[in-house]
Amino acid sequence: DAGVTQSPTHLIKTRGQQVTLRCSPKSGHDTVSWYQQALGQGPQFIFQYYEEEERQRGNFPDRFSGHQFPNYSSELNVNALLLGDSALYLCASSLRGDHNEQFFGPGTRLTVL
Amino acid sequence: KNQVEQSPQSLIILEGKNCTLQCNYTVSPFSNLRWYKQDTGRGPVSLTIMTFSENTKSNGRYTATLDADTKQSSLHITASQLSDSASYICVVTARWGGGGNKLTFGTGTQLKVEL
Repeated sequence: DAGVTQSPTHLIKTRGQQVTLRCSPKSGHDTVSWYQQALGQGPQFIFQYYEEEERQRGNFPDRFSGHQFPNYSSELNVNALLLGDSALYLCASSLRGDHNEQFFGPGTRLTVL
Repeated sequence: KNQVEQSPQSLIILEGKNCTLQCNYTVSPFSNLRWYKQDTGRGPVSLTIMTFSENTKSNGRYTATLDADTKQSSLHITASQLSDSASYICVVTARWGGGGNKLTFGTGTQLKVEL
């Protein structure tokens, strides 16, 4: 079992560009959540996808959007990048339900210049 | 507003010593509380989970406690090792309609274990 995988591992973009990050959930998981973690901070919830729909959303602008595919994998898209978008982006997968643990991927380090 | 506060912000201890990390939360409706260990540049890994009715949970050298009345939790690490150096994050889950859940993360305690 490969666990949660994310790609790419590192990415450098310039202000105003657009970026797409990808996540493959742990085998058997149907729910994917995305988090932004700035340096020295705890992860901040962006949104959660289940059954190919956005089910919950944190306090992030519309520049942040996502998608979940029929195979449960997911993408995070960020438009009009700002310097402040530089962070570690974490994907976590789980089974639907209150107590089901979220397993995290290794993250994608995004640097916006 | 759901919040999770952790203390201390950072901690340095000698190898073999014990330490205790604190977590206070204002998250409702409460579902569960987890402690995660996050190595630098890596994703968090779950250490323990506690629900409302549980007040202690152990995982090897890690022991977590939960006081649901005061909304406080602690993580005790015994006989620390160099590999324990990491960020320890307290995460509280709130119930969400439709069977989903929402996690609120603390900012973490950065632990460094030295020789």
